Amino acid sequence: DAGVTQSPTHLIKTRGQQVTLRCSPKSGHDTVSWYQQALGQGPQFIFQYYEEEERQRGNFPDRFSGHQFPNYSSELNVNALLLGDSALYLCASSLIGKSTDTQYFGPGTRLTVL
Amino acid sequence: GESVGLHLPTLSVQEGDNSIINCAYSNSASDYFIWYKQESGKGPQFIIDIRSNMDKRQGQRVTVLLNKTVKHLSLQIAATQPGDSAVYFCAENILNQGGKLIFGQGTELSVKP
Repeated sequence: DAGVTQSPTHLIKTRGQQVTLRCSPKSGHDTVSWYQQALGQGPQFIFQYYEEEERQRGNFPDRFSGHQFPNYSSELNVNALLLGDSALYLCASSLIGKSTDTQYFGPGTRLTVL
Repeated sequence: GESVGLHLPTLSVQEGDNSIINCAYSNSASDYFIWYKQESGKGPQFIIDIRSNMDKRQGQRVTVLLNKTVKHLSLQIAATQPGDSAVYFCAENILNQGGKLIFGQGTELSVKP
């Protein structure tokens, strides 16, 4: 049973560039959430996608956008990168409708902005 | 504002001892709590969860206690092993109001052999 997968593992970009990160949910899951984790901090919720629509959003600017595909996989896009966007980006998947909606995380994508 | 905090940023224990990691939360509307373990270079790994209608839940070598009166959560690890060394996060959620998990800063557990 495949868990949550993310690509790429590492990425280096320069300020002003755009980046796309990808996530495949755990088998059987239909919901994908994205989190940003700065070094030494807990993950911060960016947004969640279900049925190809943004279901909930955290306190992140519009430079952060996402998409969910019919096969439940998802992309996170960040435009006009800033140095402060350097972080570990985590994807978590879950199944809507289960009583606890437990989220399972992927290994993350380490983004470095120079 | 919303926050989930941890009482101690680091915890060092001897192998074989029991570990207790604490967490305070501020949102009294939260009704679901999860503990995650994160090893270096990896994503958070689900350990155990508890709903607000319970005050204790046990797993394999782990126990979560919830005290809603003082908004406090703890994770107890029995017979701590070197493989338990990691950063531990508690997270809170309000069921049926979206999937946003609110994480604290984390506690780094170091197990001495």
